Amino acid sequence: GDSVTQMEGPVTLSEEAFLTINCTYTATGYPSLFWYVQYPGEGLQLLLKATKADDKGSNKGFEATYRKETTSFHLEKGSVQVSDSAVYFCALRDGAQKLVFGQGTRLTINP
Amino acid sequence: TAGITQAPTSQILAAGRSMTLRCTQDMRHNAMYWYRQDLGLGLRLIHYSNTAGTTGKGEVPDGYSVSRANTDDFPLTLASAVPSQTSVYFCASSDSASGADTQYFGPGTRLTVL
Repeated sequence: GDSVTQMEGPVTLSEEAFLTINCTYTATGYPSLFWYVQYPGEGLQLLLKATKADDKGSNKGFEATYRKETTSFHLEKGSVQVSDSAVYFCALRDGAQKLVFGQGTRLTINP
Repeated sequence: TAGITQAPTSQILAAGRSMTLRCTQDMRHNAMYWYRQDLGLGLRLIHYSNTAGTTGKGEVPDGYSVSRANTDDFPLTLASAVPSQTSVYFCASSDSASGADTQYFGPGTRLTVL
């Protein structure tokens, strides 16, 4: 079945560092791809999404590009802030319209 | 706008007891979902409902049941809890009827089964 593999965490960076969280997927067809963020003590929130190959999703300084040739959707941000500390989940929407999540990557940003 | 509410926020439950986790949304979304979140495993789908009156099994349905009597409510029942059901449970909804694919999540219920 469809699956999502994320870079293992935890990831710890200093403020203003460059961030990359890797995400690759296995799926039949061309699924929509998502990044969700979970702040401490809260539910998940949609961060960004892309629905077709070469689309770039962006929000709050984060970006991810749908790469069909490498089946990847890596999350990037040029300069992270302490407030970006959270758990990040990569996900795809499968053919049955269900979300399939990666295992999550915990990010901690130190001042 | 409240969005999605879940109750209780947390619960400690003795093994063998039953419990219903409540979920209510005020967005009139047709589709609703229940996930469990376990460390290192991400979120796994337990049950879902594409519209009121219908339900379906997700990836990990055993030991859980759901009902969808109306659009707004989607309760999750554990008939006889076991320690492996200790987890954080999230309810979500989406307006899939319009083609939108974004799911909106509630704040979660932390359940401990002893």
